[in-house]
Amino acid sequence: ETGVTQTPRHLVMGMTNKKSLKCEQHLGHNAMYWYKQSAKKPLELMFVYSLEERVENNSVPSRFSPECPNSSHLFLHLHTLQPEDSALYLCASSPSIAGGDEQFFGPGTRLTVL
Amino acid sequence: EDQVTQSPEALRLQEGESSSLNCSYTVSGLRGLFWYRQDPGKGPEFLFTLYSAGEEKEKERLKATLTKKESFLHITAPKPEDSATYLCAVQTSKFYFGSGTKLNVKP
Repeated sequence: ETGVTQTPRHLVMGMTNKKSLKCEQHLGHNAMYWYKQSAKKPLELMFVYSLEERVENNSVPSRFSPECPNSSHLFLHLHTLQPEDSALYLCASSPSIAGGDEQFFGPGTRLTVL
Repeated sequence: EDQVTQSPEALRLQEGESSSLNCSYTVSGLRGLFWYRQDPGKGPEFLFTLYSAGEEKEKERLKATLTKKESFLHITAPKPEDSATYLCAVQTSKFYFGSGTKLNVKP
């Protein structure tokens, strides 16, 4: 595996379900990110981790819970979601959170909340 | 307020018809400006990073330029395979993405 991988690629869940999204980066990077991409809206940065420590949480509802057990893995735990949470969830990594480092994205998880 | 605006929202070109996409920004403390390409159902693919006004970078039919207030992505003699959404992002102490320009190149 190379680059940034995400599983599952597609997920359909009910509002009462609990599920998790997984991201793994094979680039040796120290920073990882979760983004939400909704139709016709800019990418919304949700969480930033640097060396497994959360450094940014952009007013994301508590029904989204991130976890970063090590610098290669990132999870997004989902519970009691709303239909408006349906979107493409993208994971990214970069060498560091310092200025000027480009981010490398995974393919995303297409989430549908019924 | 920090802001990134891309124009046009959508652009239709004939194969071979050169054009430019615009990314204007109003931010404090620019650390880098990034261009990405995104195909439907996929994650953004990194294209270029620009750090300072006057800088230019090229890759195949694409050329990115940067001024103090905007960046252009010039597409020379585009091909149908260049059809995608092109995203601009600006980094200060945070990352800000534009809404993208959806490019459609017809044969």
